[in-house]
Parts: sequence; structure tokens; C-alpha cells
Amino acid sequence: DAGVTQSPTHLIKTRGQQVTLRCSPKSGHDTVSWYQQALGQGPQFIFQYYEEEERQRGNFPDRFSGHQFPNYSSELNVNALLLGDSALYLCASIADRGGSPLHFGNGTRLTVT
Amino acid sequence: SQKIEQNSEALNIQEGKTATLTCNYTNYSPAYLQWYRQDPGRGPVFLLLIRENEKEKRKERLKVTFDTTLKQSLFHITASQPADSATYLCALPTSGTYKYIFGTGTRLKVLA
Repeated sequence: DAGVTQSPTHLIKTRGQQVTLRCSPKSGHDTVSWYQQALGQGPQFIFQYYEEEERQRGNFPDRFSGHQFPNYSSELNVNALLLGDSALYLCASIADRGGSPLHFGNGTRLTVT
Repeated sequence: SQKIEQNSEALNIQEGKTATLTCNYTNYSPAYLQWYRQDPGRGPVFLLLIRENEKEKRKERLKVTFDTTLKQSLFHITASQPADSATYLCALPTSGTYKYIFGTGTRLKVLA
């Protein structure tokens, strides 16, 4: 039973460029959340997708957008990259029940130069 | 605003001792609290959940307590081993939303 998979594992981009990160949730999970984790910090909630809709958004600018596909996989897009966007981007899937734990992938390490 | 605090300083303990990590929260009354383990370069892995009506939860060498009056959770690892070295994160759901707030994590190093 595959867990959450993310691609790519590492990415180097230049300021102003755009990036797309991908996530496949754990089998049986229909809800995907994206988190940004800066070095030495805890994960920060970006948004959550359920039934192909953005259900909730954290305190991130519109440069951050996403998508969920009918097979529950998801993409995170970031436009006009800034140096401060350098971080580990984590995808977490969850069975949509109260108290269910988040199942995280190993993330995509994005470096913006 | 809702806030979680974990001791950001690393905790070094000797193998075999009990490690105790603290998670404090403010402006908040969560229905439950979760603890995760994160190894370098990896995503967090769920360890334990404790609900507001539970005082204590155990899983093998792990024990979590939840004091809703003090707004604090303690995470204990008994008979610690070098393999327990990692960063431990506490997480709380925000009420009425699907968002989890994470602490900054405490880095634990168990010395052989």
C-alpha cells in the first residue's frame, strides 16, 4: 500500500520563475493538504483540497495555487518565485474524519536562487 | 491568535533516560492534539493523538498527557535510544476548520 508520494524531490529555480509540485495521496484518502516548511520551523498550512475544490486556504498569497484531480492527486503551483519561497513543500493526505492523522510525503525541497 | 510553543532548543539526553518534551498553546481549546516525528529531509510521521477528555495516552515507550487547564501537552519517551533522535512536532486542529497548526518542533538527540 503506497503512502503519499511527491515529485520531484528537489528543485532549483530562479526568482520570477514558476514551479509545479505534484502529490499522490495515500490509497483510500480523498483529501490533500499542502504545507510549507522553512528551515527550523514547523509546517505552515497553505491550502486543502477536497472533491477537486479548494476547501480552505492559509495565509499565503495568490501566487500559490493548486489543483486536485478526479483520482485525488494534487498539484501545487507557485508563480513569480521569490527567494523566500525556498522551503520544503509537504503534501499530506487524510481520510476525511475528525481526528484522523495527516499522512505526509517526504516533500519537495525547493531552492530559489 | 492561536499559537503553539515548543522548546526550540535541542534536547540532549543519555541513552536509557526518559525524554520529556513540552507543547504549550494559547488562545485555543482544541478537541485533540497530535504528535509527529520528523527525521532530517523527511516528512513528519504521526505518532499519537490524544483527545481533550483523555488525560494520558500510551503507545509502547511513548506517553502523552494533555492538560486542558494548563493548555499543555507533555510527550515522554521512556528508555530512550539513539534511534529516537529526531525532531518532534505537536499539532492542533483549528476549530471549525481543516487546518492544523504545528509547533516549531523540538530536536531530540539521544546520546549513546
